[in-house]
Amino acid sequence: DVKVTQSSRYLVKRTGEKVFLECVQDMDHENMFWYRQDPGLGLRLIYFSYDVKMKEKGDIPEGYSVSREKKERFSLILESASTNQTSMYLCASSPPAADTQYFGPGTRLTVL
Amino acid sequence: AQSVTQPDIHITVSEGASLELRCNYSYGATPYLFWYVQSPGQGLQLLLKYFSGDTLVQGIKGFEAEFKRSQSSFNLRKPSVHWSDAAEYFCAVGGGSNYKLTFGKGTLLTVNP
Repeated sequence: DVKVTQSSRYLVKRTGEKVFLECVQDMDHENMFWYRQDPGLGLRLIYFSYDVKMKEKGDIPEGYSVSREKKERFSLILESASTNQTSMYLCASSPPAADTQYFGPGTRLTVL
Repeated sequence: AQSVTQPDIHITVSEGASLELRCNYSYGATPYLFWYVQSPGQGLQLLLKYFSGDTLVQGIKGFEAEFKRSQSSFNLRKPSVHWSDAAEYFCAVGGGSNYKLTFGKGTLLTVNP
């Protein structure tokens, strides 16, 4: 079974803090994705990566950056957290092309 | 641009009743279509997917979906709903060399005993 793990299920941070969300997958997938999920808005793509050190902006990249130094790990960085970044963050991975995306359990981030 | 519309934000059914969740998509070529389910506080789990071939697709947990190109639809069905099916359901579209998926806003399913 594909396993996608995220470093924290719940996280509480202060405004202005630098926040790291980590995601690890064990299926040697090329593609990895970060989404945020908000009530009534569904899933919105923040960033994705199709290879090590490669990244592309998704639909809502503002206020976020990413890092992919190893194939299995994809990190989402909030350089200076703000209250409007309070959300559920979901990581996913997939093999090449538009194949199935496998999701982690999510991190619920609260920024105070 | 690709897009997905799930017209129903919230659906309530009785346990044992049949279920149909609607999904309409917009995509310029042959689409890849997916249904995912999300239980409260959890990530998304794949129910079923359509890439090509038979337009009636069987998935896990007794769900099925039918691809209708003429209607740009991929509706999810289940003949008899169980209380454990209460969750949020997401339809998604992608395709070809574009490995991005576009998700609908979701349909929340409530099951009454």
